[in-house]
Amino acid sequence: TQLLEQSPQFLSIQEGENLTVYCNSSSVFSSLQWYRQEPGEGPVLLVTVVTGGEVKKLKRLTFQFGDARKDSSLHITAAQPGDTGLYLCAVIIQGAQKLVFGQGTRLTINP
Amino acid sequence: NAGVMQNPRHLVRRRGQEARLRCSPMKGHSHVYWYRQLPEEGLKFMVYLQKENIIDESGMPKERFSAEFPKEGPSILRIQQVVRGDSAAYFCASSPSGTGRRLIYEQYFGPGTRLTVT
Repeated sequence: TQLLEQSPQFLSIQEGENLTVYCNSSSVFSSLQWYRQEPGEGPVLLVTVVTGGEVKKLKRLTFQFGDARKDSSLHITAAQPGDTGLYLCAVIIQGAQKLVFGQGTRLTINP
Repeated sequence: NAGVMQNPRHLVRRRGQEARLRCSPMKGHSHVYWYRQLPEEGLKFMVYLQKENIIDESGMPKERFSAEFPKEGPSILRIQQVVRGDSAAYFCASSPSGTGRRLIYEQYFGPGTRLTVT
């Protein structure tokens, strides 16, 4: 079983639409990160959320950490083709020096 | 300030050959991590190294895989006698230090090496 469940796995929408993707777990985390990975490249860190209920904005991207620190969402407003990519959530396992990733949401924005 | 560098970017090996993947961490970073990404999957941790030490290899297959981070030079992930199932993208990440008691912890990823075993 996956520690982090991301949904949907695939999402294809038209340019200009809004969307939300989710990262869920039954475990509590001290922090959670979102990455974007473009084809042929490594993941790039977008944001780290730390506090339950925290909301962070990065231009048209809004990240929220759940109140109980078990889940997170990423909302994109007015999606653009440049937003296309694989969105991964990840957590650090306390006491271990490694990131654990969800399987990702593969987002395609059609012009 | 150069980012994490990996080479080669693409590597083709026949079954039974050896694959050597290299990673140079960001300047000032002394911690290196290797991850593997199978097609259509997320990244899976393999190994965590500091200079001349393997700290955590809990994600490494028990056989044929090894990693090192020598005092001088890049970190090397070595796969002996490759099989088709080893075909994947291998990513290296680096950080300036371990997690310690920090709440915010960031790893910086390289562009990856795409290994194809024929």
